[in-house]
Amino acid sequence: AQSVTQLGSHVSVSEGALVLLRCNYSSSVPPYLFWYVQYPNQGLQLLLKYTSAATLVKGINGFEAEFKKSETSFHLTKPSAHMSDAAEYFCAVSPSNFGNEKLTFGTGTRLTIIP
Amino acid sequence: EAQVTQNPRYLITVTGKKLTVTCSQNMNHEYMSWYRQDPGLGLRQIYYSMNVEVTDKGDVPEGYKVSRKEKRNFPLILESPSPNQTSLYFCASSLVIGGNQPQHFGDGTRLSIL
Repeated sequence: AQSVTQLGSHVSVSEGALVLLRCNYSSSVPPYLFWYVQYPNQGLQLLLKYTSAATLVKGINGFEAEFKKSETSFHLTKPSAHMSDAAEYFCAVSPSNFGNEKLTFGTGTRLTIIP
Repeated sequence: EAQVTQNPRYLITVTGKKLTVTCSQNMNHEYMSWYRQDPGLGLRQIYYSMNVEVTDKGDVPEGYKVSRKEKRNFPLILESPSPNQTSLYFCASSLVIGGNQPQHFGDGTRLSIL
């Protein structure tokens, strides 16, 4: 079984400030972890993924995330927020063994950027 | 261009009137899935398909049907829609289920059932 918890359904940061979106996971096997972004009126786009090659993962648009096994976390960060980062962000977990389990999403965090 | 295409993008209809939302992918992906997105609940899986003629229930399958007669198409059918099926629906595909394969999403279909 697997699950994802995203702390904070809404996060607001000032333009130029650090973005930190939190994700904690639960998985009975080593996980693969993903961050997706959803812009208004669009589908989800992959930001980055962790597949055990490296614990610090760099994605598109300056985002990165660090896998911390001891904390079961995969928080998303960006050093300096831009107005174009305003969107909803979803963390997701998938088991690393190929079976019938699906991708499980968190409930999402809506990021607002304050000018 | 690699894409997942959903139609229609928006639909307002009435209770009990059968409707179909189409989904097509051009990436030769084996795995396809339908999700619904509701405020505060994130994305919940409705049905998925691991290959042609192979479908299975997700977390919230009640009131929905699917079929996978061709690899590229995975329509979602609401035989008798009800207001609680008003939602934003997404179709997604990936090379295989699970593992490190990211899912590719369509742009969504917003359904309103009156």
